Amino acid sequence: DTAVSQTPKYLVTQMGNDKSIKCEQNLGHDTMYWYKQDSKKFLKIMFSYNNKELIINETVPNRFSPKSPDKAHLNLHINSLELGDSAVYFCASSQKMWYNEQFFGPGTRLTVL
Amino acid sequence: GIQVEQSPPDLILQEGANSTLRCNFSDSVNNLQWFHQNPWGQLINLFYIPSGTKQNGRLSATTVATERYSLLYISSSQTTDSGVYFCAVLDNYGQNFVFGPGTRLSVLP
Repeated sequence: DTAVSQTPKYLVTQMGNDKSIKCEQNLGHDTMYWYKQDSKKFLKIMFSYNNKELIINETVPNRFSPKSPDKAHLNLHINSLELGDSAVYFCASSQKMWYNEQFFGPGTRLTVL
Repeated sequence: GIQVEQSPPDLILQEGANSTLRCNFSDSVNNLQWFHQNPWGQLINLFYIPSGTKQNGRLSATTVATERYSLLYISSSQTTDSGVYFCAVLDNYGQNFVFGPGTRLSVLP
């Protein structure tokens, strides 16, 4: 059983489109995260979320929004995609925000043309 | 904001060798973690280590929070240790989780 899963694995789309990436964890964790890894492999936290708070990295454009239908899911919605959004996006989860081991999904490679 | 540096940026080892990776950070932190990204892109959390020393098999980590650095030791390296090692810190406000640029390790057979 995959602990943290993401779909799709690859996403190719045109500039200006709106897209979503889904993330699910079956670990019973309270906290989920979204990270962006750019072409130079630099990692950046985008969002951290549990049922009490959402922490948004101030550098993340408001075209990006997380949506959590329930504790096991945190989907990433992106509006009006731009070329610079091309990257690998990782979802992760942990029991408590920041203070436990994080488990990562396999990543979604987004390419904006 | 808090700055995180890692050294060396690249490291090539022969299988069986030992290595030490370093992470320096510019301010007091609440939390420090080490991650490994394998050549296929999978990320694994190695250690949660805001202070002190932890060991897990051939890997161990030490954080000296008062001197603002952490070290990751890899002993008897194997080809499966290849990949990029990242450290990341959480600032004292608990709001910013910042990654270092990583150390790329290649272990040759």
